[in-house]
Amino acid sequence: GDSVTQMEGPVTLSEEACLTINCTYTATGYPSLFWYVQYPGEGLQLLLKATKADDKGSNKGFEATYRKETTSFHLEKGSVQVSDSAVYFCALSEFHNNNDMRFGAGTRLTVKP
Amino acid sequence: DSGVTQTPKHLITATGQRVTLRCSPRSGDLSVYWYQQSLDQGLQFLIQYYNGEERAKGNILERFSAQQFPDLHSELNLSSLELGDSALYFCASSVGTGKNTGELFFGEGSRLTVL
Repeated sequence: GDSVTQMEGPVTLSEEACLTINCTYTATGYPSLFWYVQYPGEGLQLLLKATKADDKGSNKGFEATYRKETTSFHLEKGSVQVSDSAVYFCALSEFHNNNDMRFGAGTRLTVKP
Repeated sequence: DSGVTQTPKHLITATGQRVTLRCSPRSGDLSVYWYQQSLDQGLQFLIQYYNGEERAKGNILERFSAQQFPDLHSELNLSSLELGDSALYFCASSVGTGKNTGELFFGEGSRLTVL
């Protein structure tokens, strides 16, 4: 079945460091791909998304490119801030699968001043 | 604010008991999803409803059940509770199957502690 694998955490970075969180997927069709973020004490919220191959999703300085050839959707940010500390979830959704959202295990990011 | 409301926010109960978690989706959303988030298991999909009908089932235990009512709110019933059921339970909603690219809107969750 469809699944998402993302790099295990936790990840600890200093402020202004570069961030990459790897995400790869397995799907039978052509899924939409998402990154969700969960700040402490809150629910998940959509960070960015891409609906077809080569699309780039971006928001709040974060970017991810839908790579069909490598079945990947890595999350990147050039300069992280303390306020980016959160848990990040990669996810996919396929129309033919009732749009059932499949999540990765989550990666906890801590950014230190 | 996502527009999805979950109650209660916190719940403490004993093993063997039964609890009901409630979710009100965003206005206009027809699909409701339930997820369980445990410390060691990440986010697990439990069940999805669309316009009152069960649409997809994930790793939901037989002790758990859910339903979606005509006003589209949903309830998740957890019975014969065990210590391992302690977790954060999230509800999410979306416009509906086949009508969007799958973006979900999450509530803030209900934290269940079983003692």
